[in-house]
Amino acid sequence: AQRVTQPEKLLSVFKGAPVELKCNYSYSGSPELFWYVQYSRQRLQLLLRHISRESIKGFTADLNKGETSFHLKKPFAQEEDSAMYYCALREGTSYGKLTFGQGTILTVHP
Amino acid sequence: DTGVSQDPRHKITKRGQNVTFRCDPISEHNRLYWYRQTLGQGPEFLTYFQNEAQLEKSRLLSDRFSAERPKGSFSTLEIQRTEQGDSAMYLCASSPKDSPYEQYFGPGTRLTVT
Repeated sequence: AQRVTQPEKLLSVFKGAPVELKCNYSYSGSPELFWYVQYSRQRLQLLLRHISRESIKGFTADLNKGETSFHLKKPFAQEEDSAMYYCALREGTSYGKLTFGQGTILTVHP
Repeated sequence: DTGVSQDPRHKITKRGQNVTFRCDPISEHNRLYWYRQTLGQGPEFLTYFQNEAQLEKSRLLSDRFSAERPKGSFSTLEIQRTEQGDSAMYLCASSPKDSPYEQYFGPGTRLTVT
């Protein structure tokens, strides 16, 4: 069965520092990977997906099939990046079911 | 607000009672999803509709759970004979036909079973 692991429940950095949120997955097929974000008192929303290979709010993520990872990176963290981040996987054969990791709370200190 | 809406936002019920939640997706989104989220965990998939057809169900969706989307618009999720383990946030999401990968989430319904 597919599984998504985010090893860090909490991550704290200072403003301007680089940040990396880790995500590892296990799935034997061709997955589609996503990062979703939930800011305080807001809804869960899509941040980025690996297929688009775009940078959103300065964040990027590269799918590494060899290491089965999809880490989220930003070179210079901002205070407004403080939020809960979820990594999610969609099976290639699924209609749209997402399997989420446990989430990482990112806190960016001034 | 043109986003996904859910009603009620909070529900407290006694064990053994039945509860029903409603989700109104974004207009013209043909795909609708239900997830459950417990404290400290990410959302867990429950079920998926494309228009009015329920195409995928999780094993988490026991016999006590049933979901419908009768006209391909709003959806309901019913839990019969609630148990304390059902206490969770129930999230609904929808996605458009041309972007099935992008799920728009509602605010959720928080269920507390006492």
